[in-house]
Amino acid sequence: DAGITQSPRHKVTETGTPVTLRCHQTENHRYMYWYRQDPGHGLRLIHYSYGVKDTDKGEVSDGYSVSRSKTEDFLLTLESATSSQTSVYFCAIMQEGEIYNEQFFGPGTRLTVL
Amino acid sequence: KQEVTQIPAALSVPEGENLVLNCSFTDSAIYNLQWFRQDPGKGLTSLLLIQSSQREQTSGRLNASLDKSSGRSTLYIAASQPGDSATYLCAVRPITGGGNKLTFGTGTQLKVEL
Repeated sequence: DAGITQSPRHKVTETGTPVTLRCHQTENHRYMYWYRQDPGHGLRLIHYSYGVKDTDKGEVSDGYSVSRSKTEDFLLTLESATSSQTSVYFCAIMQEGEIYNEQFFGPGTRLTVL
Repeated sequence: KQEVTQIPAALSVPEGENLVLNCSFTDSAIYNLQWFRQDPGKGLTSLLLIQSSQREQTSGRLNASLDKSSGRSTLYIAASQPGDSATYLCAVRPITGGGNKLTFGTGTQLKVEL
């Protein structure tokens, strides 16, 4: 599992409340990613990070912010959750090798916004 | 913009059958292509990664091929088993765009029946 954990694993919240999801890795990988997975859309990139304090937007970044103050932790924040943000959220890391780079995924967080 | 398509969206086969899953992508400028497996309610497990310079990769009963010029990859599963039932996703790593990002297909849901 490449040492990736996500917390919480399940969360139910109400519209308008702030929500923070945490991704933790144990292997000091430089690149970390947040995706959301929805039926009919597959996995879509929200934000990614290429180092401490270095982040960039993905294709569906509106309504989300991220922070990375330590190599091992990448936080995804929904400032004011909406029902359209009900989804399964996956964190991933990129294992950089001499020959190729390969992504590995965490177990996911199921978020329901009522 | 890179687009990745997987057809069919769902497939049901009897146990023991050899099968092929398809993945097509619109831009051949890729570093590599990854095949993943996703069990219900779980994260993604990396199965095989094919570099752009390679034609195929094998792992056990799985064989993935890549024809970059035509924008196609196939995942061949030999002697299918009920335990192979899962959703299979392919993803490409485009050369443009930076960030070691992946573009995913929407997956093929495979059911292997007894």
